[in-house]
Amino acid sequence: EAGVAQSPRYKIIEKRQSVAFWCNPISGHATLYWYQQILGQGPKLLIQFQNNGVVDDSQLPKDRFSAERLKGVDSTLKIQPAKLEDSAVYLCASSLDSGQGAYEQYFGPGTRLTVT
Amino acid sequence: GNSVTQMEGPVTLSEEAFLTINCTYTATGYPSLFWYVQYPGEGLQLLLKATKADDKGSNKGFEATYRKETTSFHLEKGSVQVSDSAVYFCALSDLWGSQGNLIFGKGTKLSVKP
Repeated sequence: EAGVAQSPRYKIIEKRQSVAFWCNPISGHATLYWYQQILGQGPKLLIQFQNNGVVDDSQLPKDRFSAERLKGVDSTLKIQPAKLEDSAVYLCASSLDSGQGAYEQYFGPGTRLTVT
Repeated sequence: GNSVTQMEGPVTLSEEAFLTINCTYTATGYPSLFWYVQYPGEGLQLLLKATKADDKGSNKGFEATYRKETTSFHLEKGSVQVSDSAVYFCALSDLWGSQGNLIFGKGTKLSVKP
């Protein structure tokens, strides 16, 4: 079974530029998550999708971050414009479902973003 | 709100030493508890989990027991190997309040020397 795919693996941009990350979850997984992992910290949830609907985006900085999952499969996360503090690893994860099942989340390798 | 606190790293051990990484949590509901591991250059992988009080999760020689009375989920291994060198994250999922979202600790880096 193929795992969660993410691209690019690395990205370096200047502040105020825009950037987009792509994620393809495991086939059949209804729930998709984007996490931000700043160096030395644990991952923090940015947004959670259930199929193509947003379940939780309470920690997404909506003035600069946006995400979509148009057909309920792959997803893109965009930052526009980027700030220095956005330098982090962006992790995508997927699970069969969420809620009472405590289904395991499977993580992709992440995209390391450096904003200079 | 819900939170996870785990011991600061880095932790450096010799091969075959005993490992304990402490983890405590704060949660309003009845969370499930997890340990994730991140090997160098790889994504997070679930190491073990426990979904209710007194459950013991175990995998690859690692184990952790869900202690509701002390709100703890400490990770232990009796004899570590060089290949266990990684960053370990404790996490909780409050299924009733957060749709299964994971809340992570800051991670503990483990280095095992031969």
